[in-house]
Amino acid sequence: EIVMTQSPDTLSVSPGERAALSCRASQNIRRNLAWYQKKPGQAPRLLMYDASGRGTGFPARFSGSGSGTEFTLTISSLESEDFAVYYCQQYDSWPRTFGQGTKVEIK
Amino acid sequence: QVQLVQSGAEVEKPGASVKVSCKLSGYTFTDHALHWVRQAPGQGLEWMGWIDTDNGVTRYSQRFQGRITITRDTSANTAYMELGSLTSEDTAVYYCARGEQYWGQGTLVTVSS
Repeated sequence: EIVMTQSPDTLSVSPGERAALSCRASQNIRRNLAWYQKKPGQAPRLLMYDASGRGTGFPARFSGSGSGTEFTLTISSLESEDFAVYYCQQYDSWPRTFGQGTKVEIK
Repeated sequence: QVQLVQSGAEVEKPGASVKVSCKLSGYTFTDHALHWVRQAPGQGLEWMGWIDTDNGVTRYSQRFQGRITITRDTSANTAYMELGSLTSEDTAVYYCARGEQYWGQGTLVTVSS
């Protein structure tokens, strides 16, 4: 099973600042990685697919990069609606696995 | 538009089973596989299993092997996830998802004596 490890667990950021979230895979997953935004009481929303493809409805301040085992989600200038928990998930092999999540909170 | 509508909240006793449904609309049911994912209170997302809605082939997480069954009814455009031998640790919101993009609204399953 591929283990996905996210860092940090919590990121405290002020509105308008940049945030960079990391996701590491225990083995090569090529670019078969998704990022999700999760808010309380809501279903996860697909934020990024194939490592860098932006999901429907997400603005250009969100970007994804990486391949193989190292991936990054960057939010260039945080807005109030961006404070949430972000999960990465690999879909390169079975079973599908998620990272433990990074909580982006207001500083 | 694509919609996944799940069944309502359930309360079950330890040792019992629960069956959650996921009705799909807005596309051809058998064109896309379905995943089941859960989130326990204060915990992260956990992938549980998957069904090929065309041929019924399933894959399950080892963590649930032996007590999870995912099925589908193509005539009803509905998929089901049944989890048995419930414990309090199975208290969670359960989601169905088509691929990565489309998700159901979630079903809260509470296991309590």
